[in-house]
Amino acid sequence: AQRVTQPEKLLSVFKGAPVELKCNYSYSGSPELFWYVQYSRQRLQLLLRHISRESIKGFTADLNKGETSFHLKKPFAQEEDSAMYYCALRALFQGAQKLVFGQGTRLTINP
Amino acid sequence: DARVTQTPRHKVTEMGQEVTMRCQPILGHNTVFWYRQTMMQGLELLAYFRNRAPLDDSGMPKDRFSAEMPDATLATLKIQPSEPRDSAVYFCASGYWYEQFFGPGTRLTVL
Repeated sequence: AQRVTQPEKLLSVFKGAPVELKCNYSYSGSPELFWYVQYSRQRLQLLLRHISRESIKGFTADLNKGETSFHLKKPFAQEEDSAMYYCALRALFQGAQKLVFGQGTRLTINP
Repeated sequence: DARVTQTPRHKVTEMGQEVTMRCQPILGHNTVFWYRQTMMQGLELLAYFRNRAPLDDSGMPKDRFSAEMPDATLATLKIQPSEPRDSAVYFCASGYWYEQFFGPGTRLTVL
């Protein structure tokens, strides 16, 4: 079964410190993974996807198939990074593709 | 700047009442998703449509929930009868499986 696990519901770090939001997945096929973010009073939006191999707002995420992980990282946290982060996995259901989301991690950056 | 719209933004109702939530997807998007967000479960997919046809509603309690797309500009999610455990934020999204554009959500409270 397709599953995404974000083990930390809450994560708090100080401004300037490194950040790592953990995401593990379970999927029998070739995985495609994404990170979505929801800032306060804003809509949930796509942050990045692993196939793009890009850095968005200083965040990167590397797919590790051996560890079935897709952790989101940023070397120096900023206060504006405080938000809810969701990891998501592409899943195939009855010939149609959809995203399976994790439970989310609320990141708080302390000044 | 095209956006997904949802009405109402907030709804407080009593147990047993019918609740109808509406979504207007972005024009041209042929796939619409309904999600429920709670602290405990995170973001759960309830149903999704492509070209107005339901593709997957396995995440939805069928005895009380129903989702429809009467036309390309309107998607509805109904709960009848509502229960306190249905209290959550309900999101609609349109787009593609790999990039979904979310609405602002409907915050439902069932007393």
